[in-house]
Formats: sequence, structure tokens, C-alpha cells
Amino acid sequence: DSGVTQTPKHLITATGQRVTLRCSPRSGDLSVYWYQQSLDQGLQFLIQYYNGEERAKGNILERFSAQQFPDLHSELNLSSLELGDSALYFCASSVASSGGWQFFGPGTRLTVL
Amino acid sequence: AQSVTQPDIHITVSEGASLELRCNYSYGATPYLFWYVQSPGQGLQLLLKYFSGDTLVQGIKGFEAEFKRSQSSFNLRKPSVHWSDAAEYFCAVGQGAAGNKLTFGGGTRVLVKP
Repeated sequence: DSGVTQTPKHLITATGQRVTLRCSPRSGDLSVYWYQQSLDQGLQFLIQYYNGEERAKGNILERFSAQQFPDLHSELNLSSLELGDSALYFCASSVASSGGWQFFGPGTRLTVL
Repeated sequence: AQSVTQPDIHITVSEGASLELRCNYSYGATPYLFWYVQSPGQGLQLLLKYFSGDTLVQGIKGFEAEFKRSQSSFNLRKPSVHWSDAAEYFCAVGQGAAGNKLTFGGGTRVLVKP
């Protein structure tokens, strides 16, 4: 158990819908990262927040957005969902904003029908 | 742009035999390098990391990795594999000056024969 929690574990929805994935980092960690794992694209970095502010951006679609709240939990919002958005979405956390190793949550499996 | 290549998609090894997983990276600066393991239905667990210093890095579960700058490689090794080592292994490079954006390789799935 990494100490990173993600909810829900599974999510099934329809095309065009909007969903919110939630992540709680390990106690004391200030950075939260979001990753997408799909068969087509493999593991891809989406975005990082550090202490409430966006710190780094990867291959995140405009339909996707994220935020980190004052209590340090983070949410990833996915809108106008397409079939290709079906994937495993991981959240990771680390103490520092840079260079530190990241602890991954168990993931949220999103299925878009 | 940085990239990570894991040439072997699948590797089958007998229990008790040694294991080596290959990883090659492309990155302009001194890389932050990581190996993660993903068991079926699980998240990723960090095995070891290299930032600087000694090029032979020890990790958890008996794994080690060696950084070879001249070969742009960071291969993972284990002298004697256990059945519980069956999983998918990912090499990653931390990009950016801060090393915080991980770029992953495609992964190597390890099967362990009894």
C-alpha cells in the first residue's frame, strides 16, 4: 500500500459524458501527478500540481483538467468523453516538487461505452 | 525529445534463474532514471532510482540496476527470480530540469516458469 488513494476504482460511462477522478496523496506529500495508461499510448504523464499550483504539463487534452485543493487532494476532470479515453488513470504523489520519487495509487479504470 | 526504449516486450525466465531487463534512454542532460514494477491489477511500485553518484543502484526486492552513460542504458537485474516477480516492469526517465515529468518505456512483461 503506497498511501495514495484513488476513487472510484472503476467507472463506466457513455461517450459525451463528464467524470471526475479523485486522488488523495500520501500524508506530507505536496506534489500530485496524473498519468494515463492505455494499450495504445502506454503510460503517459498528464499533469503535476505542487501545493495547489500547476507545476508541469504533459500530454493532457484540452477536454481534461485538474486541480489540487488546499487539503492537497486532487481531482482530474474528463469531459466530452470519447471511446479512446478508456484507460487506467493513475495518481502519484511525492514530497518534493522535483526530482523525488513518486508513489503511485492503485488507479481508476475508466470505461467509456 | 527524451524517450525510453525497452526492447523486450516479454521475457520468460525460470524460477531461480537470473533476470536482466534492458532499458535505453535518450536524454540530453544527466537523467533521473527509475524502474517501476506493476503487478496485475495493481499500481506502480518504485523499485529503484538513479540521480547521481554510484552507477550501481540497489533497490527493493533484491533488484539492482546499473547506469551506463556511454551506452545510454539503465538495465535492471536480479540474481535469482522468485515466482512473485512475475509482473510488468517499466523503466522511466525524469524529464525537465526538475526530473518530475516521467517518461516511461513500453514495459517488459516477465513470466516466471516453475
